[in-house]
Amino acid sequence: EPEVTQTPSHQVTQMGQEVILRCVPISNHLYFYWYRQILGQKVEFLVSFYNNEISEKSEIFDDQFSVERPDGSNFTLKIRSTKLEDSAMYFCASSEGGGTPYEQYFGPGTRLTVT
Amino acid sequence: AQRVTQPEKLLSVFKGAPVELKCNYSYSGSPELFWYVQYSRQRLQLLLRHISRESIKGFTADLNKGETSFHLKKPFAQEEDSAMYYCALKAGGGADGLTFGKGTHLIIQP
Repeated sequence: EPEVTQTPSHQVTQMGQEVILRCVPISNHLYFYWYRQILGQKVEFLVSFYNNEISEKSEIFDDQFSVERPDGSNFTLKIRSTKLEDSAMYFCASSEGGGTPYEQYFGPGTRLTVT
Repeated sequence: AQRVTQPEKLLSVFKGAPVELKCNYSYSGSPELFWYVQYSRQRLQLLLRHISRESIKGFTADLNKGETSFHLKKPFAQEEDSAMYYCALKAGGGADGLTFGKGTHLIIQP
């Protein structure tokens, strides 16, 4: 069964550094999402992406964040200048369509640690 | 803005006992409600959604608009049900993200 994959599984970076988290969505899916989960807190929506542009974004997704689909398979989340509070688990998800009844399929997550 | 509340951080029941995981939401429109499950060392996966009205792995959930609730129930718990359970809401029909509750850690004791 096809799955969403994410690399790396764990990334350690220093405060102020740029980091890129990578995701390979399921191949026939058209909608892509990023979520994050700070330790002990809820999973929070960051951004959705469709047709090569941002579709929706939350208040968390400020100018420090950007997303890109650089080729036909990868979907990336870039954090320009990481802060300690960016430490979290970042989940990528994809879906065939945007509304009902399309299910969002989640990747295993990338644990980002900012020191 | 929408919100999802799962009042129990941890729920421990014995095998064979009934399980009810509570979920309440606040949203002014007509939401889509979901339950996601995360087994140990596995990814988040959809368990069920209110529009399907189906039973998955013996679990059911009914949307109660009057009480703004979407509680997850199973009549007889099994040890393999031990996992994190997240209630989630989708406000729009497009590419809106999911709003999650904080999750309930369900432990089934033998």
